[in-house]
Formats: sequence, C-alpha cells, structure tokens
Amino acid sequence: DVKVTQSSRYLVKRTGEKVFLECVQDMDHENMFWYRQDPGLGLRLIYFSYDVKMKEKGDIPEGYSVSREKKERFSLILESASTNQTSMYLCASSLLVGYEQYFGPGTRLTVT
Amino acid sequence: AQTVTQSQPEMSVQEAETVTLSCTYDTSENNYYLFWYKQPPSRQMILVIRQEAYKQQNATENRFSVNFQKAAKSFSLKISDSQLGDTAMYFCAFMNGQGAQKLVFGQGTRLTINP
Repeated sequence: DVKVTQSSRYLVKRTGEKVFLECVQDMDHENMFWYRQDPGLGLRLIYFSYDVKMKEKGDIPEGYSVSREKKERFSLILESASTNQTSMYLCASSLLVGYEQYFGPGTRLTVT
Repeated sequence: AQTVTQSQPEMSVQEAETVTLSCTYDTSENNYYLFWYKQPPSRQMILVIRQEAYKQQNATENRFSVNFQKAAKSFSLKISDSQLGDTAMYFCAFMNGQGAQKLVFGQGTRLTINP
C-alpha cells in the first residue's frame, strides 16, 4: 500500500519564524512535489524534485525553498513565514511521467 | 501556459442520481494527460480517473467515466448511481506529456451527495 506522510496535520507559527514541513514517501518514487491549496484557487505547485539534491521551481516559489537529501524525503522551508503563507500544504510523489501522483494528508499551516 | 477551468464551484444531488462535473482546459500541446482527483472531507486526495490525450476511447472506472472532447478541450466527469461516499472536492488536472511532470489543477468542485 502506497504511503505519503507529512510531519504535521496542523501547525501554528508566528510571522518571521522559519518553518519546516517534512514529507516522506515509502514507494521509492523519483519525483516529489509540494503544492499549496487555497479555496477557489485549487492546488498550485511550489517546487518539485526529480531526484536527490535536484529541485525545480513551480508556479509560486517565492518565499519558499526545498531540500531533498534522501530519495524518500522532501522538505519545504518557509525562510521567514508571513501571514499570506497561511494555507494547506500538500506533498505528492510519483514514479513515471503521466501517471498518478500520490498525495499526503496535508499540513494546515496558520501564520499569525 | 496551460490553464484548467472548473465552472461549477458547488453541486448537490440526491443519492443514486447521476451527476456530471465540467472541466475545460487550454493548451497548444498535442500530447498530454488529464486527471480527476477526489479529496473527501479531511482525507487524502486520491486519483479517480486518468485519460491519455492520444486515446480516443473515454476512460472508465466502475461508476466513474469521462467525456473527453479533445477538439473542444473538454474533460467532464460523470458519476453514476452516486453514493454518500462520493461527497468530496473534485479537482480536474492537466499534465503535459513531455518535460516537467507538473500538474495544473482547476479550482475544484465541491460535490455533496444527499441521502
């Protein structure tokens, strides 16, 4: 059974804090993704990674960075959290181009 | 850039009815993939159905089927014999067949199945 897990379901942080969101997949997938989900906007891609230590910007990378030191783990970093980064963050992984992306349960982040 | 539009923010039907969710997309590519994902309340997003653009036959998964109209750039989802467990947010998504595996999502449709 495929599994993508995220370190927290709910997180509350203060403006200016550095925030780490962790994602782990146990399917040996090459590709991993970070999205944010906002009402009325659907999901938007922040960053993705094709392989260890490789990363590419998605559609809304500003204010975020990522780290992929091991194949199974993909971290999203908010260098200095701001209130407009309050959102649901979803991690996903996939094996092949054009095939299913498997999603984690999401982290609802509130920045106050 | 590709865009995906879901024009129905919310829909509501009675159990056992058939419901169709609309999705249109814009692309200049010829090779691509289309997906419908389901996000139940407080649960993980899961794939409902997948369509390859070069295949003319519409994809089907049990009670879920699509109407893929490539020329019209339309990709609607039909749910037959709807069940209470079908209550969820439904997202239409597009992926280019070459290059980056980026999924471009629509805004979502909140579907409620009433008993």
